[in-house]
Amino acid sequence: EDQVTQSPEALRLQEGESSSLNCSYTVSGLRGLFWYRQDPGKGPEFLFTLYSAGEEKEKERLKATLTKKESFLHITAPKPEDSATYLCAVRHSGGSNYKLTFGKGTLLTVNP
Amino acid sequence: GAGVSQTPSNKVTEKGKYVELRCDPISGHTALYWYRQSLGQGPEFLIYFQGTGAADDSGLPNDRFFAVRPEGSVSTLKIQRTERGDSAVYLCASSSGVGEQFFGPGTRLTVL
Repeated sequence: EDQVTQSPEALRLQEGESSSLNCSYTVSGLRGLFWYRQDPGKGPEFLFTLYSAGEEKEKERLKATLTKKESFLHITAPKPEDSATYLCAVRHSGGSNYKLTFGKGTLLTVNP
Repeated sequence: GAGVSQTPSNKVTEKGKYVELRCDPISGHTALYWYRQSLGQGPEFLIYFQGTGAADDSGLPNDRFFAVRPEGSVSTLKIQRTERGDSAVYLCASSSGVGEQFFGPGTRLTVL
């Protein structure tokens, strides 16, 4: 059974203070690791998909990286508007390969 | 372009009542998914449609839950004899084939 563990559960940063969020996963044949951002009262907003170890993707202040066991979401010089819950999800190969298994998320708060 | 829309945004009902939640996916997306998100948790898979048929309903918690997609576009999630434990945010997502899933804003269901 696929498992996704995100840490920390909550992270409080000062504006401009760079940090990383972790997503550890166990999956039988990874067919995509996904990062989403979720604001309060909203649905998850797609950020990145990573498919293979060593892959990196960037968008503004966010950079996602992938190894064989975990993914990191690096946030460089964050701003208050980056405050949100960041969700990680995996999809496995083989049967039911459309289904996403999510972690519980990391609640990021960036103080001005 | 228009994203995934869900109605109603909020639904309050009494224990034992029947409810219907509607999802309108991104135009042209053949795949549609329902997830359920409880407070402090990541979304959990309920059911997957490819076209009009439910390809996988293994995530539905019990037979009080049912979903349809009669014309391969709009989907309705139906819950009979609601229980307090059904209270959650119900999220709908759609994708083009087995690609990135794009989520709607969700319906917050409260069972009193």
